[in-house]
Amino acid sequence: DTAVSQTPKYLVTQMGNDKSIKCEQNLGHDTMYWYKQDSKKFLKIMFSYNNKELIINETVPNRFSPKSPDKAHLNLHINSLELGDSAVYFCASSQEWEKAGELFFGEGSRLTVL
Amino acid sequence: ELKVEQNPLFLSMQEGKNYTIYCNYSTTSDRLYWYRQDPGKSLESLFVLLSNGAVKQEGRLMASLDTKARLSTLHITAAVHDLSATYFCVRSYGQNFVFGPGTRLSVLP
Repeated sequence: DTAVSQTPKYLVTQMGNDKSIKCEQNLGHDTMYWYKQDSKKFLKIMFSYNNKELIINETVPNRFSPKSPDKAHLNLHINSLELGDSAVYFCASSQEWEKAGELFFGEGSRLTVL
Repeated sequence: ELKVEQNPLFLSMQEGKNYTIYCNYSTTSDRLYWYRQDPGKSLESLFVLLSNGAVKQEGRLMASLDTKARLSTLHITAAVHDLSATYFCVRSYGQNFVFGPGTRLSVLP
């Protein structure tokens, strides 16, 4: 069983379109995250939810909107896609004080905006 | 500002050699992690260092933490090609994880 799963793995779309990425974790963790990894491999946090509540909201364009219907799911919706949105988006989860609170990552979703 | 720096950013080394990757961070925090990422793949946790003086070893990799110097090291012993990957140093502040820029390691035959 995959611990943190994201869909889709690949997204190719045109500028101006709207797209969503879904994430689910079956680890029972309370906290979930979205990270963006750019072409230089830099990883930057975008959002974090703890038990469905938004706790970290970095400086991200408001075209990006996370949604957490329950603590096992965290989805990312992106409106009006731009070329600069092309990146790999990683979902992750963690549970503080369990297994040293490390992050468990999904496989990533590679978004290409043409 | 929470900062994590790594040195070097790129490392090309021959099989059988030893080398150390350095990680400096700007403020005290809870924990330090090392993650590995293979090209086109996800990230996997290698080590978690919880306190000053902590040392962890797994195979040819050994990680250590000096909280007074705000420094962690990842030492590679007798490198093999399979270790080629990007290695990230990560500090956590509560549930906020701050990543270093990564060290891209290439081990050449």
